[in-house]
Amino acid sequence: GAVVSQHPSRVICKSGTSVKIECRSLDFQATTMFWYRQFPKKSLMLMATSNEGSKATYEQGVEKDKFLINHASLTLSTLTVTSAHPEDSSFYICSARDRRRGHSYEQYFGPGTRLTVT
Amino acid sequence: AQSVSQHNHHVILSEAASLELGCNYSYGGTVNLFWYVQYPGQHLQLLLKYFSGDPLVKGIKGFEAEFIKSKFSFNLRKPSVQWSDTAEYFCAVMGTSGTYKYIFGTGTRLKVLA
Repeated sequence: GAVVSQHPSRVICKSGTSVKIECRSLDFQATTMFWYRQFPKKSLMLMATSNEGSKATYEQGVEKDKFLINHASLTLSTLTVTSAHPEDSSFYICSARDRRRGHSYEQYFGPGTRLTVT
Repeated sequence: AQSVSQHNHHVILSEAASLELGCNYSYGGTVNLFWYVQYPGQHLQLLLKYFSGDPLVKGIKGFEAEFIKSKFSFNLRKPSVQWSDTAEYFCAVMGTSGTYKYIFGTGTRLKVLA
């Protein structure tokens, strides 16, 4: 159980276009989802915390207007990279917290999305 | 500032060797601690976690970790590694203030030679 999927797994887009990445919890409901960015040979950097039905909370230094996050349901959160530029190229990973396991605090991770902006 | 340090960036071991990966954190409060593993081409998977109680935590695949509060450490150990343990290992800290956010260490890339 506790499977998180991401779509697409890889995407290449042209500079100036927008890209949407989906994160789904397949067999559980997630009140909270998280979006991370992973640079080569570096750790996962938390970008934002997404709560179902409310606005996302962004980490310091993350542009809210550039990285739009929507958590419309208990099983789906989306990250839209708007007006993408080559420096946005990265590996984006989402995770979800199972609402049923209120005291476990464990996050379940998706497989990640490789974004390349040309 | 809150932070997590993993001092070993790359580790190369032969099969059957013992493993210890260091993790130190800086956080002003009660924490929950995690070790995640990322096998090549796969997503992050939980190895073990510490919330409270016995500071020696046993996880999957023969891994264990010890929480030493006085040293702000949560080192990962395995007495005898296998080739299949080749992966990247991440330590993570979560404060108990209610945001459920993780702070990750920079990761340790382990290569086990057959």
